[in-house]
Amino acid sequence: DGGITQSPKYLFRKEGQNVTLSCEQNLNHDAMYWYRQDPGQGLRLIYYSQIVNDFQKGDIAEGYSVSREKKESFPLTVTSAQKNPTAFYLCASNGKSSYNSPLHFGNGTRLTVT
Amino acid sequence: RKEVEQDPGPFNVPEGATVAFNCTYSNSASQSFFWYRQDCRKEPKLLMSVYSSGNEDGRFTAQLNRASQYISLLIRDSKLSDSATYLCAVTRGSTLGRLYFGRGTQLTVWP
Repeated sequence: DGGITQSPKYLFRKEGQNVTLSCEQNLNHDAMYWYRQDPGQGLRLIYYSQIVNDFQKGDIAEGYSVSREKKESFPLTVTSAQKNPTAFYLCASNGKSSYNSPLHFGNGTRLTVT
Repeated sequence: RKEVEQDPGPFNVPEGATVAFNCTYSNSASQSFFWYRQDCRKEPKLLMSVYSSGNEDGRFTAQLNRASQYISLLIRDSKLSDSATYLCAVTRGSTLGRLYFGRGTQLTVWP
């Protein structure tokens, strides 16, 4: 079955360490996105990529980095520069950029930094 | 002003009730509109797209009002299993595919 796989489901890190969250999709979608969700704050866009080898900052990109070397993969690195990294991270994708293309989400990675 | 605003609730309704949520958006260039459902500690899942003419899927009806810049979701004959957070999402014409989300409206249906 096609879908988006995020791993791991839960991740624990010490403050000061970089950590990379994995996101893989086999939906043949062109565009991929990373959102962060905090309680009561909804989804905020971190980075997105509409084509391989290209990506753009979202609303809260500071302290994060991404790469898009393959169409299927869009890993997110949470660096030590991110002040409040503990959150629920959601990866999503949609088809060839169009006006009526809903997002499909992975099942998320819950990151806790202490 | 936020791109998308929703009443966070919570809405607590008995089984069988009809409940409606509204969501306002600030950018008149918004092109596409969606409702997502999110269960506790899970990812959002697409509930339905919202079309200009309004659309219905079983007990769920979505409407779009471009003049007043809001979308609505009506749930008839609420079930216990409808308990979740409902997120509205809109696109803006300048950035194809990117969705802007509201904070979500929490619904609890009680027996």
